[in-house]
Amino acid sequence: KAGVTQTPRYLIKTRGQQVTLSCSPISGHRSVSWYQQTPGQGLQFLFEYFSETQRNKGNFPGRFSGRQFSNSRSEMNVSTLELGDSALYLCASSLGTGYGNTEAFFGQGTRLTVV
Amino acid sequence: GESVGLHLPTLSVQEGDNSIINCAYSNSASDYFIWYKQESGKGPQFIIDIRSNMDKRQGQRVTVLLNKTVKHLSLQIAATQPGDSAVYFCAESPPGGSQGNLIFGKGTKLSVKP
Repeated sequence: KAGVTQTPRYLIKTRGQQVTLSCSPISGHRSVSWYQQTPGQGLQFLFEYFSETQRNKGNFPGRFSGRQFSNSRSEMNVSTLELGDSALYLCASSLGTGYGNTEAFFGQGTRLTVV
Repeated sequence: GESVGLHLPTLSVQEGDNSIINCAYSNSASDYFIWYKQESGKGPQFIIDIRSNMDKRQGQRVTVLLNKTVKHLSLQIAATQPGDSAVYFCAESPPGGSQGNLIFGKGTKLSVKP
């Protein structure tokens, strides 16, 4: 069974640009969550999608957005990049059908560097 | 490899010893807790979980203890091996959550000396 796949693995962008990151969940998983990981702030929740709908959202500015497609694949977008957006962006997938369906599997992440 | 934290608490243990990693969680109403292991260059990997109606759960070489009175979690690793060297995170799921929205602790770096 293939794991969670994130593309690209590494990305360098310039301030002001926008970026789109992709996540393919484990087959059969309907929930995809995104997290930002930085040395200073640790792992912070960005948003969760389930069946193409945003189910939860973290405390990030509107420059951060996402979506989920009918095949459960998800993308996140960051517009008007700032230096502080440099981070490891992690995607996690789970069955997502609530209490009892627990384990979230993480991808290897996309390392975004903003210069 | 990638650094996941520049100022993480570090626990250094000798190979074969037991390790105990502690975590304070934030929401007294959280009902589900997970420990993750993150190796350099990789995403977090599930180790063990526990629900709020339990105070102890055991896995293979690992035990998680939950003390709801003081909002404290611990991860015990028996007979620690060099392959256990990694950063360990606790995570909590807020009440009513879907487990897709996790609040992570800052992490502890475990270093195992051969």
